[in-house]
Amino acid sequence: EAGVVQSPRYKIIEKKQPVAFWCNPISGHNTLYWYLQNLGQGPELLIRYENEEAVDDSQLPKDRFSAERLKGVDSTLKIQPAELGDSAVYLCASSLGQGHEQFFGPGTRLTVL
Amino acid sequence: EDQVTQSPEALRLQEGESSSLNCSYTVSGLRGLFWYRQDPGKGPEFLFTLYSAGEEKEKERLKATLTKKESFLHITAPKPEDSATYLCAVRGSGGYQKVTFGTGTKLQVIP
Repeated sequence: EAGVVQSPRYKIIEKKQPVAFWCNPISGHNTLYWYLQNLGQGPELLIRYENEEAVDDSQLPKDRFSAERLKGVDSTLKIQPAELGDSAVYLCASSLGQGHEQFFGPGTRLTVL
Repeated sequence: EDQVTQSPEALRLQEGESSSLNCSYTVSGLRGLFWYRQDPGKGPEFLFTLYSAGEEKEKERLKATLTKKESFLHITAPKPEDSATYLCAVRGSGGYQKVTFGTGTKLQVIP
């Protein structure tokens, strides 16, 4: 069974530039999560989707971050414009439902110069 | 707000030297406590879910236990391949029932 797929794996951009991350969850998983992980820290939730609906985006900095999950499968997370402090690993995870264990992708390491 | 504190931050063991990792938590209505393993450059890998005090789960050299205030991950006779960061997370019954992660324990097992 294929796991959670994320691309790109690495991204280096100049500050104020836009950037987008893509995630393909495990087939059949209705719940999709985007996390941010700084070095030496645990993952922090940015947004959770149940199918196409964003049910928890309380931690998403909406002035510069946006996300979408069209057709309830793939998802894209966008930052525009990027700031130096956005440098981190962005993780995507999926699960059968909210109460089930989450399966994580390998993450996208973003460096903002 | 739910909180998770893991200790120690780092642990260095000789191969075969058993030990335990601690996860202390405060949560409004525990809906699940999760243990994950994370290798460098990879996403967390699910290990266990515990739901109620007294519950225990085992997988190879790992055993997770749960009380009303903390969870332990016991590692018996560890091997170098057990070296990783171990993350603890809780899901509470509060708003959105989101999962809150701790900062992890970085385990190094020396041959």
